[in-house]
Amino acid sequence: GENVEQHPSTLSVQEGDSAVIKCTYSDSASNYFPWYKQELGKRPQLIIDIRSNVGEKKDQRIAVTLNKTAKHFSLHITETQPEDSAVYFCAALSWAGTALIFGKGTTLSVSS
Amino acid sequence: ETGVTQTPRHLVMGMTNKKSLKCEQHLGHNAMYWYKQSAKKPLELMFVYSLEERVENNSVPSRFSPECPNSSHLFLHLHTLQPEDSALYLCASSQDGSREEKLFFGSGTQLSVL
Repeated sequence: GENVEQHPSTLSVQEGDSAVIKCTYSDSASNYFPWYKQELGKRPQLIIDIRSNVGEKKDQRIAVTLNKTAKHFSLHITETQPEDSAVYFCAALSWAGTALIFGKGTTLSVSS
Repeated sequence: ETGVTQTPRHLVMGMTNKKSLKCEQHLGHNAMYWYKQSAKKPLELMFVYSLEERVENNSVPSRFSPECPNSSHLFLHLHTLQPEDSALYLCASSQDGSREEKLFFGSGTQLSVL
């Protein structure tokens, strides 16, 4: 089945800096890669996703890139703000295509 | 509010107890999921139901028993749990369980097994 590795596990940046989180996946048949944000004590929520027919997608200060050959994808956050502080999870579809398999999460801390 | 409600929010139980977690979605979705969230571990998929039929159970121990009586309700029945089962249990729903779908999560049930 699918296996998703996520790095780093923790990331601390200064407000205004950029943050990058990287994930690798094992199932070459996977073609959908979402990112979820979970603030402290709250539920995970989708922030951006990418499909295998594109290499990059942007939404304001966040962007995701995908390299299908290398089987890795990354989340980029520019001009970070304190409210970006949260745990970020990457995910990929399982081999059966029925549900998402998540990475271990990255705890992002943005200090002002 | 995302439309997915879980009860109870917190649960403490002994290893010999039997309890149930409840999830209800008001979004008209046809697929529902149970995920387990432990410290330092990924969100682990436990069960998937699509149109009230189980499609994946991911080798979960039999002390966890799911039930999906209709597309709006999902239960997780617990019995003879172990302390390592202590975790946050998240329910989620999606439109119809097909690929590339956004998951809507509930707030979770924080379970402690003594």
